[in-house]
Amino acid sequence: GENVEQHPSTLSVQEGDSAVIKCTYSDSASNYFPWYKQELGKRPQLIIDIRSNVGEKKDQRIAVTLNKTAKHFSLHITETQPEDSAVYFCAAREDTGFQKLVFGTGTRLLVSP
Amino acid sequence: DAGVTQSPTHLIKTRGQQVTLRCSPISGHKSVSWYQQVLGQGPQFIFQYYEKEERGRGNFPDRFSARQFPNYSSELNVNALLLGDSALYLCASSLWDRDTEAFFGQGTRLTVV
Repeated sequence: GENVEQHPSTLSVQEGDSAVIKCTYSDSASNYFPWYKQELGKRPQLIIDIRSNVGEKKDQRIAVTLNKTAKHFSLHITETQPEDSAVYFCAAREDTGFQKLVFGTGTRLLVSP
Repeated sequence: DAGVTQSPTHLIKTRGQQVTLRCSPISGHKSVSWYQQVLGQGPQFIFQYYEKEERGRGNFPDRFSARQFPNYSSELNVNALLLGDSALYLCASSLWDRDTEAFFGQGTRLTVV
């Protein structure tokens, strides 16, 4: 089955800096890669996603890149703000015929003012 | 616009007991998936139901079962609770069985003592 690794586990940046979180996946048949933001005690919220036929996607300060050859995808947050502080999870959807997301272990992002 | 709703929000049970968790998907969504999130880890897939049928099952024991009702709401049942079942149980809904985004509810925090 699919296995997703996520790095780093914690990331501290100053407000205004950029943050990059990286994930690798094992199953080349996986075709959908969402990113979720989870604030303490709250639900995971979908912030951006990318499908396997696209190499890059942007939404304001957030971007995701996908390298299918390397089985690697990354989340880029520019001009970070304190409200970006949260745990971020990457995930990959297995090509199983049903919707099974396999999550990474999460990155705790702390943005200091 | 109501999102995914889950009940109850918190629950304390004793080892060996049984528990039922409930989920109402976003209006119009026909797929419901259940995930278990242990503290400090990413969510792990338990089940997906689509059009009242089980479409996928993760690596969980038979003590875990679920069903989906004609209105697309769902219940997750866990029998013979173990201490290790303590976790946040998340429900995610999506339009179809695959190829669509998954939106999570706020979860049910289950504590087994």
